[in-house]
Amino acid sequence: SYELTQPLSVSVALGQTARITCGGNNIGSKNVHWYQQKPGQAPVLVIYRDSNRPSGIPERFSGSNSGNTATLTISRAQAGDEADYYCQVWDRTGVFGTGTKVTVL
Amino acid sequence: EVQLVESGGGLVQPGGSLRLSCAASGFTFSSYWMHWVRQAPGKGLVWVSRINSDGSSTSYADSVKGRFTISRDNAKNTLYLQMNSLRAEDTAVYYCARDAGGYCSGGSCHSGAFDIWGQGTMVTVSS
Repeated sequence: SYELTQPLSVSVALGQTARITCGGNNIGSKNVHWYQQKPGQAPVLVIYRDSNRPSGIPERFSGSNSGNTATLTISRAQAGDEADYYCQVWDRTGVFGTGTKVTVL
Repeated sequence: EVQLVESGGGLVQPGGSLRLSCAASGFTFSSYWMHWVRQAPGKGLVWVSRINSDGSSTSYADSVKGRFTISRDNAKNTLYLQMNSLRAEDTAVYYCARDAGGYCSGGSCHSGAFDIWGQGTMVTVSS
């Protein structure tokens, strides 16, 4: 079965840039979606189809996907960006990444 | 307002059954594929099941295949998950989610992003 690997945690200084990777075999050939989940809340879609932002998501969130790695980039990180982030693809079934906890210092 | 509201969770003994519901409002429910996703306490998100817009096609994670059944009633704008033969490892918050753009082509089906999520309902399997 298809697997997606994310770093367990990423730390970023306030106002700096955080990059969260999502590794998978030839993931560049798939559509990657990213979700933000804050404690006790449901996930929220922040990037769909590699690099598209849903309405209401700040431009500070961006995505890319190539080869074996997809990346979610959070620019000018804010305290409110602290959350768990999950990548997701469809490979005959739904597949979520292992999740990354982002801490803003 | 576009909204999904889950209900039906609770405490059930191993081997027991439970039916979850997800009430949709604010959008044309019958036009969208729908999913169930679960999250065990302190763990990550795990996809459970998917149903297409008219209910004619479903798919399941291997871990629940043969035990769980997804269905929908488009007249009632409601999605269901019937869970049988429940195990301790099924303990989780269960979320329903709307599929932003699922489609079938060339004999295979592909789901889109999950753009709307419910607040979740907790299922605890324990004696």
